[in-house]
Amino acid sequence: GAGVSQSPRYKVAKRGQDVALRCDPISGHVSLFWYQQALGQGPEFLTYFQNEAQLDKSGLPSDRFFAERPEGSVSTLKIQRTQQEDSAVYLCASSTPGQGVDYGYTFGSGTRLTVV
Amino acid sequence: AQSVSQHNHHVILSEAASLELGCNYSYGGTVNLFWYVQYPGQHLQLLLKYFSGDPLVKGIKGFEAEFIKSKFSFNLRKPSVQWSDTAEYFCAVRITHGSGNTGKLIFGQGTTLQVKP
Repeated sequence: GAGVSQSPRYKVAKRGQDVALRCDPISGHVSLFWYQQALGQGPEFLTYFQNEAQLDKSGLPSDRFFAERPEGSVSTLKIQRTQQEDSAVYLCASSTPGQGVDYGYTFGSGTRLTVV
Repeated sequence: AQSVSQHNHHVILSEAASLELGCNYSYGGTVNLFWYVQYPGQHLQLLLKYFSGDPLVKGIKGFEAEFIKSKFSFNLRKPSVQWSDTAEYFCAVRITHGSGNTGKLIFGQGTTLQVKP
């Protein structure tokens, strides 16, 4: 498609439940990022993929968070045993390095996760 | 650790007023700088970016920003705002050092701009 697609758009989870958030990047985009945006805050980096390789996961807040991109396109962010502090908007962005310094990031609309 | 600070959390202006949103970052090396806008219910969109060259950059919708290296600042400006500029604005920095640079962005906490018609 023309943009980055994320699903579901909204997710309500009971505390302790596992959730899976999906990101469909722009076709051909090599780089894929996940960010977490808490209410009233700017997005914070979670993890980065280059194709199927997860090159940076320094931003994942705990071992309950896991991300994958097995075929180098669609990515899934999984949160196990959700807790209330996980409530946030989860953003996905994709970009294509190698276009010189002028490459940009395209963000998806995000998944709003509410843990009750 | 690197950080980005946006001084104005909530700005209210009347139409045709001039706008300046402050952004400062903490990192002594080379950076790329971005301003993103998020209109209500929409995704983050790039307003403008600075990589190198002329420190005064022009973006979409009449926005511009000036990179002042000595002040570690990248303030966003618009001479005359419109009601349609009501949105949240985020400054972001990308560190550009060495191998292993993943291109991740470090965002400020955002500024909510409300323009009254």
